[in-house]
Amino acid sequence: AQSVTQLDSQVPVFEEAPVELRCNYSSSVSVYLFWYVQYPNQGLQLLLKYLSGSTLVESINGFEAEFNKSQTSFHLRKPSVHISDTAEYFCAVTKTGANNLFFGTGTRLTVIP
Amino acid sequence: DVKVTQSSRYLVKRTGEKVFLECVQDMDHENMFWYRQDPGLGLRLIYFSYDVKMKEKGDIPEGYSVSREKKERFSLILESASTNQTSMYLCASYDRVGNQPQHFGDGTRLSIL
Repeated sequence: AQSVTQLDSQVPVFEEAPVELRCNYSSSVSVYLFWYVQYPNQGLQLLLKYLSGSTLVESINGFEAEFNKSQTSFHLRKPSVHISDTAEYFCAVTKTGANNLFFGTGTRLTVIP
Repeated sequence: DVKVTQSSRYLVKRTGEKVFLECVQDMDHENMFWYRQDPGLGLRLIYFSYDVKMKEKGDIPEGYSVSREKKERFSLILESASTNQTSMYLCASYDRVGNQPQHFGDGTRLSIL
């Protein structure tokens, strides 16, 4: 079975500083990986995904994540955060061909002015 | 753009009541899901459905049932609501074709008094 670990439940960071949100997964089979973002009082929105190909994937708002198979990680990074990035971020995994997503427990990113 | 609509943003019910949470998607997706979201626990899958009248238990189905009479609508039912079912409930859908990301509704915050 798949599982996802997000070790950091809360990450405070100053505006314009870099940030890394960590995600590790466990699976013995080929997987797809996702990062979702949840802004206050909203549902989850897809931020970026890794299905195949290049191990570095990017979102339109400056986030990127790198799939590292040997370390079973899919950490999310941004070189310079904005106030508007304050949200909860969820890492998720599914095995290829499956219907279910397995979610981590989430990381609350708070950007401090 | 895919739209997943949950009928209520906020709902307050009493212990023992039968509660219906409704979810409608407008993109003819085959797969629909109900999650509950609790602080520190992330998203946990309650039930999912991969076709009309088909349903599968997720990780925490106890105390819940579901109904999918039409492709676009997936209902979550709390047969006899209890206080430990106070939570945020999120509905999601995606197409069977490929491993596309799930699209989420804005959530229903349910309080059982």
